Amino acid sequence: DSGVTQTPKHLITATGQRVTLRCSPRSGDLSVYWYQQSLDQGLQFLIQYYNGEERAKGNILERFSAQQFPDLHSELNLSSLELGDSALYFCASSPRDSLSQGDEQFFGPGTRLTVL
Amino acid sequence: GNSVTQMEGPVTLSEEAFLTINCTYTATGYPSLFWYVQYPGEGLQLLLKATKADDKGSNKGFEATYRKETTSFHLEKGSVQVSDSAVYFCALSDPYSGAGSYQLTFGKGTKLSVIP
Repeated sequence: DSGVTQTPKHLITATGQRVTLRCSPRSGDLSVYWYQQSLDQGLQFLIQYYNGEERAKGNILERFSAQQFPDLHSELNLSSLELGDSALYFCASSPRDSLSQGDEQFFGPGTRLTVL
Repeated sequence: GNSVTQMEGPVTLSEEAFLTINCTYTATGYPSLFWYVQYPGEGLQLLLKATKADDKGSNKGFEATYRKETTSFHLEKGSVQVSDSAVYFCALSDPYSGAGSYQLTFGKGTKLSVIP
């Protein structure tokens, strides 16, 4: 158990809808990262928050947004969903705002999103 | 930019066989290298890591050596078990690349199945 929690485990929705995925980092970690895992693209970094502020952006679509709250939990909002958004979405956390030599990220169990 | 290339799977081995999963990388700075493992239905867990050239990471009988001259970090295990069946991801972080590293860059993953 990494100490990172994600809810829900599974989400099934229809095209055009909007969903929110939630992540709580390990106790003491200030950074939260979101990744999308799909069969064709592998694991893609989406976005990182550190202590409530956006720190880095990866391949995140404009239809997607995220935030980190004062209690450090984070939410990833996906809107105008398309079939291609079906994927496993992982949250990870780490103590600092950037990865120093050898720093690892701790991953949650993921949320499987299915868009029908 | 940074990238990680690992051998495509799936890989199927008999119990007690020798395992090698190849991983090569491209990085602008002096990356740290990681192997993560994803067991069925779970998130990613750190398996081992190395932070400088010629370092050997090891854990649970798995080993990988950071080879700067060949930009490789191949994963090996002398005798696999059924319980090693999982997806293995090679990854890097590059703390010295300009503004620092805020993400892990992953390979596409290699699915290993070990049969009794």
